Amino acid sequence: QVQLVQSGTEVKKPGASVTVSCKASGNTFTRYYMHWVRQAPGQGLEWMGMINPSGGSTNYAQKFQGRVTMTRDTSASTVYMELSSLRSDDTAVYYCARGPTAYWYFDLWGRGTLVTVSS
Amino acid sequence: EIVLTQSPGTLSLSPGERATLSCRASQSVTSSYLAWYQQKPGQAPRLLIFSASSRATGIPDRFSGSGSGTDFALTISRLEPEDFAVYYCQQYASSLTFGGGTKVQIK
Repeated sequence: QVQLVQSGTEVKKPGASVTVSCKASGNTFTRYYMHWVRQAPGQGLEWMGMINPSGGSTNYAQKFQGRVTMTRDTSASTVYMELSSLRSDDTAVYYCARGPTAYWYFDLWGRGTLVTVSS
Repeated sequence: EIVLTQSPGTLSLSPGERATLSCRASQSVTSSYLAWYQQKPGQAPRLLIFSASSRATGIPDRFSGSGSGTDFALTISRLEPEDFAVYYCQQYASSLTFGGGTKVQIK
C-alpha cells in the first residue's frame, strides 16, 4: 500500500529554517506531483507549492516565494520542503500530499509534521 | 485568486439525516475543477470528491458532489457516526485555493 511518511516534530526559533521530508513508498514516485499544504492550529488548509519529482520543476504559492524551497531525491523517493526566516505564525502542521500531474487535487496525504516556532 | 466561501460554518445534524454543504467561488471554476475533503481531529484530510462530482476510490456512495461555475455542493445522503468531521472544498482551476471549511457536528 502506497504511503507518504513524513519526518518528525520540529521546534525552531524565530529566524531559523526548517526542512521537512516526505518519503513515498511503492514505485510511483515520479508519476505524481507532490504538494505541501499547511494547517495552523485550529485553522484551515493553506497550499504552499508543489514539485514535479520527475524533472524537479516547482511552483510556489506567491505568499511563500522567496522563503520556501522544494527539492527531491529520486533515488530515495523523497521530497523535501525547506521554509526559512521562520516566524511564530509559521507554527503549523505541514502535510505533503500527492496528486495527479494534470490536476492539482490530492489523493494521498502524509500524516503531517508539526513545526513549532517559539523563542 | 479564486476565493472559496463555504457555508454554513457549522452544521448540527443527527445521524441518519441529510447534510448539504455549500461552496461558493468568487469567480467561475472552469471545467469544474473542484474537490472536497473530509478531515477528522488529529488526522490528515481525505479526498472525497474531485472534478466536482467524481467520487474518489473507496468513498461510499452516500457522498455526492454537484455544481458548476461558482456554486458547488457536497451532499451526504444519510449521516453515519463516522461522517461527523470538517469538510473543505478546494479549487484547482486557477492556481489552488481552499475554502474555510464546514464543521458537521452531532446535534
